[in-house]
Amino acid sequence: QKEVEQNSGPLSVPEGAIASLNCTYSDRGSQSFFWYRQYSGKSPELIMSIYSNGDKEDGRFTAQLNKASQYVSLLIRDSQPSDSATYLCAVIYTGTASKLTFGTGTRLQVTL
Amino acid sequence: EPEVTQTPSHQVTQMGQEVILRCVPISNHLYFYWYRQILGQKVEFLVSFYNNEISEKSEIFDDQFSVERPDGSNFTLKIRSTKLEDSAMYFCASRDRGGTEAFFGQGTRLTVV
Repeated sequence: QKEVEQNSGPLSVPEGAIASLNCTYSDRGSQSFFWYRQYSGKSPELIMSIYSNGDKEDGRFTAQLNKASQYVSLLIRDSQPSDSATYLCAVIYTGTASKLTFGTGTRLQVTL
Repeated sequence: EPEVTQTPSHQVTQMGQEVILRCVPISNHLYFYWYRQILGQKVEFLVSFYNNEISEKSEIFDDQFSVERPDGSNFTLKIRSTKLEDSAMYFCASRDRGGTEAFFGQGTRLTVV
């Protein structure tokens, strides 16, 4: 069974701090990794995609991928109250017609 | 900005009734998906559709479920005889040929009573 594991949280960080969200996956051959943000009752919204080892930055967001450790992370710099949401890690496993396998998500709370 | 559109936003149906959930994917996208999310649980894959046929389906997607692309713009999910456990948010997603990034519609909340 191909799984994506996330700590469900909540992860609480003060406004302006860095939030660090982590995810592990089970298939070493996976090539595509995504972070989605989901507000309560809403649909997943794509934040970042990453395909190769290392860091990828987009504004306040940085995705990090370590394929040897089967580990993906998302850093949110200068966290804002509007960042409070559930962050979903998703993986496309090889040979799966590009379906996304999601983790359970980590709930982030940014406090004032 | 192009987006995936789903209708209705909320549907209440009686157990045993048929429901059709509708989606209009982004216009130049070729790959279409349905996912569902039971309240408090993770997003689960149901089915993927490409070139007018199912390319993959999960074990959730049994004979009660079907998908169709009746014209050049709509993509539908039909549940033939709804059960209480079908109550969930259903999300449609699409992606284009060249990429792997999938974009989600706003979802349909299905409530089976």
